[in-house]
Amino acid sequence: EDQVTQSPEALRLQEGESSSLNCSYTVSGLRGLFWYRQDPGKGPEFLFTLYSAGEEKEKERLKATLTKKESFLHITAPKPEDSATYLCAVPGGMTTDSWGKLQFGAGTQVVVTP
Amino acid sequence: DSGVTQTPKHLITATGQRVTLRCSPRSGDLSVYWYQQSLDQGLQFLIQYYNGEERAKGNILERFSAQQFPDLHSELNLSSLELGDSALYFCASSVDVPGGLVDTQYFGPGTRLTVL
Repeated sequence: EDQVTQSPEALRLQEGESSSLNCSYTVSGLRGLFWYRQDPGKGPEFLFTLYSAGEEKEKERLKATLTKKESFLHITAPKPEDSATYLCAVPGGMTTDSWGKLQFGAGTQVVVTP
Repeated sequence: DSGVTQTPKHLITATGQRVTLRCSPRSGDLSVYWYQQSLDQGLQFLIQYYNGEERAKGNILERFSAQQFPDLHSELNLSSLELGDSALYFCASSVDVPGGLVDTQYFGPGTRLTVL
């Protein structure tokens, strides 16, 4: 079965201390990878979609990259408001009708202290 | 704000009862997805509807059912509720762009279900 694994489970950073989160997947024929941010008790907030190896996307202090086996979310000079759980997800299933079945990793909980 | 709305925000009920969760997708989106998030299971896909028809199914319990109406809003019905059904239930929507790319799903704020 396809699997999505995120590491580390938790990350505690000082404000301004850059770091990276990892999302590795075992999916044959990756059709896309999604990054979301989730605050406690809230719905996941879309950050990035990556479709092919080598692709990179940036938004403010966040940068997502994709290789054939994993994706990284780089947080540059984080601020306390970047504290959240970051989730990655890949489409499940082999047929186009099943692409909507997103398979999520367990997430990385990031805490940024002043 | 993603543009996806869900009601109610909170629901407290007893075991054996039945509840209905409602979702309105973003304007123009044809697909609606339902997910369950519990502490021990993470975010789990339940079911997808596209323009009123069921398109994909996850490990959704037989006690759970969903439908999408002509105005594209969707309802998730949970019956014979058990303690273990307590969770956050999220709805997401996507536009369903043709061309072979996987759509980005935008999530609503969720409904927190507590079964006592």
